[in-house]
Amino acid sequence: KAGVTQTPRYLIKTRGQQVTLSCSPISGHRSVSWYQQTPGQGLQFLFEYFSETQRNKGNFPGRFSGRQFSNSRSEMNVSTLELGDSALYLCASSSDRVNTEAFFGQGTRLTVV
Amino acid sequence: QQQVKQSPQSLIVQKGGISIINCAYENTAFDYFPWYQQFPGKGPALLIAIRPDVSEKKEGRFTISFNKSAKQFSLHIMDSQPGDSATYFCAARPRLQGAQKLVFGQGTRLTINP
Repeated sequence: KAGVTQTPRYLIKTRGQQVTLSCSPISGHRSVSWYQQTPGQGLQFLFEYFSETQRNKGNFPGRFSGRQFSNSRSEMNVSTLELGDSALYLCASSSDRVNTEAFFGQGTRLTVV
Repeated sequence: QQQVKQSPQSLIVQKGGISIINCAYENTAFDYFPWYQQFPGKGPALLIAIRPDVSEKKEGRFTISFNKSAKQFSLHIMDSQPGDSATYFCAARPRLQGAQKLVFGQGTRLTINP
């Protein structure tokens, strides 16, 4: 069974630009969560999607948004990039409401210059 | 506010020794406590997890001890090996029906000296 796939692995963007990151969950998994990982703040929850609906949201500004498609693939978008958005963005997938195990992808390393 | 505090920030253990990482939480509305292991350049990998109705869970060399009354849980790595050198994160999941949000500790960088 293939794991969680995130693309691209690395991105360099300029301040003010926007970026879209993609996550393909494990086959059969319907829940996708996104996290931001930085050395200073650690791993912080961004949002979770289940069956194309946002089920939970963390404390991030509205510049961070996401969506999920009918095949459970998810995208997150960051608009008007700031230097502080440089981070490793991780996606985690889970099978359903009962199964609580979350499996992470390798992440997308975003650098804002 | 839902927080998980993890200690120590870094830990050095000799090969064959026991590595112990501790976490404490402030909110009782958590129902699932996983530990993740992360190697440089990789995403976190689920190591072992426990629910609050169990006081201890063991999988191979890894054991979680859970103290519900003290709101603390810890990871013990027995017979630590150089390959265990990684960053370890404890986490807790709020008891929200159907939600998969995890609250993470700040991480512990573990180094096993050969």
